[in-house]
Amino acid sequence: SQTIHQWPATLVQPVGSPLSLECTVEGTSNPNLYWYRQAAGRGLQLLFYSVGIGQISSEVPQNLSASRPQDRQFILSSKKLLLSDSGFYLCAWSVQSGGPGEQFFGPGTRLTVL
Amino acid sequence: AQSVAQPEDQVNVAEGNPLTVKCTYSVSGNPYLFWYVQYPNRGLQFLLKYITGDNLVKGSYGFEAEFNKSQTSFHLKKPSALVSDSALYFCAVRDVLNTGGFKTIFGAGTRLFVKA
Repeated sequence: SQTIHQWPATLVQPVGSPLSLECTVEGTSNPNLYWYRQAAGRGLQLLFYSVGIGQISSEVPQNLSASRPQDRQFILSSKKLLLSDSGFYLCAWSVQSGGPGEQFFGPGTRLTVL
Repeated sequence: AQSVAQPEDQVNVAEGNPLTVKCTYSVSGNPYLFWYVQYPNRGLQFLLKYITGDNLVKGSYGFEAEFNKSQTSFHLKKPSALVSDSALYFCAVRDVLNTGGFKTIFGAGTRLFVKA
């Protein structure tokens, strides 16, 4: 069966510090991968998606970047965090084209920038 | 562009009563619709999907959803609510990427409170 991991689970960082959040998927190959941010426990904002190694698409201009160094690894980064980067970050995967597209989410990382 | 709307920020229901969480959609072409649930401080969990076929779709935890093409709705339902159903519910629609994959357009979410 497939599983998706995210770490760390929680993170408190000062403004201006770097960030690295990691997401890994097990039990599937060549998934689509996604990073979302959820603010205030409500709507999800799609930040990045990836359809393959090294292929990253950004949905919104921001202070963050993403990388996919391996097929089942997705990393969210920042060189200098802003207060507005605080939120709940969710990674998700789905099968590649040909499937119905439901997504499976990781447990999330709660980031607080002080 | 594909979109979904959840007109209610919050739904309150007594335990044992039927519940409905509303969703309407706007799509070009055939809709691929989903419902997800999120418990506090957790990731989203997939509940059910509609692709084609029977308009009544059954999912996890006793939930079902009714697809209505004429009303462009995809309401989530459960015959008898449990306190443990209290959570945040998201309606979503599939959007196809230019690169050949999918992304999901989520509604704003509806918070369900089930009172004992």
